[in-house]
Amino acid sequence: RKEVEQDPGPFNVPEGATVAFNCTYSNSASQSFFWYRQDCRKEPKLLMSVYSSGNEDGRFTAQLNRASQYISLLIRDSKLSDSATYLCVVNRPGNQFYFGTGTSLTVIP
Amino acid sequence: EAGVVQSPRYKIIEKKQPVAFWCNPISGHNTLYWYRQNLGQGPELLIRYENEEAVDDSQLPKDRFSAERLKGVDSTLKIQPAELGDSAVYLCASSLSGRAQETQYFGPGTRLLVL
Repeated sequence: RKEVEQDPGPFNVPEGATVAFNCTYSNSASQSFFWYRQDCRKEPKLLMSVYSSGNEDGRFTAQLNRASQYISLLIRDSKLSDSATYLCVVNRPGNQFYFGTGTSLTVIP
Repeated sequence: EAGVVQSPRYKIIEKKQPVAFWCNPISGHNTLYWYRQNLGQGPELLIRYENEEAVDDSQLPKDRFSAERLKGVDSTLKIQPAELGDSAVYLCASSLSGRAQETQYFGPGTRLLVL
C-alpha cells in the first residue's frame, strides 16, 4: 500500500464551482500534513498546512481526520488561476515526507 | 530574498554518461532535500541533509547515485552511470531546521533526459 494516495483526477470544473480533494495516508503515526500546489512545469509550493482542528485560508479549507487517516482540501468559488496539480504531503515520524501523486484541477471559463 | 537555486535547468545526456546537479538552498536553511519527480507522479525523497550530515538516504540508489553537502550549504547530486529510467525532474528543497511542521521551499528543478 502506498504511503499517500490521491485521486489523480483530472477534475474539470466551471468557474465559481466548489471542488473537494481527498487524500488517504497509511501510517497512523504520521504527524504533520500539508497541501502543496504545483503549476505545470513548475516546482511545488506550499498551499497550506493541515491542522487537527481544520483550517481555512480564504477560499481554501483543509480538514484532517486522524481516525480515518484522510485529509481533504475544499476550494470554494473556483478561479481560473486555481488550475494546477494539488499534492497531498504527509510527514511520518523520523521526519520522512511522502508526497501523493497529485490531483489535477482545471477550472473552465 | 533569493529562493532555492538549481543548475542546470535542463540536461540531455546519453545513457551510461555521468551527470551532476547543483543546489544552493535559501540562506540560513540547515535542512536540504533532494527529490526525484517522474512524470505524473509526486516528488520522491532521495536524500535529506541536516547541515552536512545525510540523515536519511534510504531511498537513494547507492549503486549509481551519490550526493554531498560540503560545509553544510551547497549540495551536489550525481548519477554515474545514468540509465534511461533516470529521466525525471530532480528537485532540491530546503527548510529552516527540518522540523515536522516547517515549510519546504523548492527550487525550479533540473529536467534530465537520458537518451
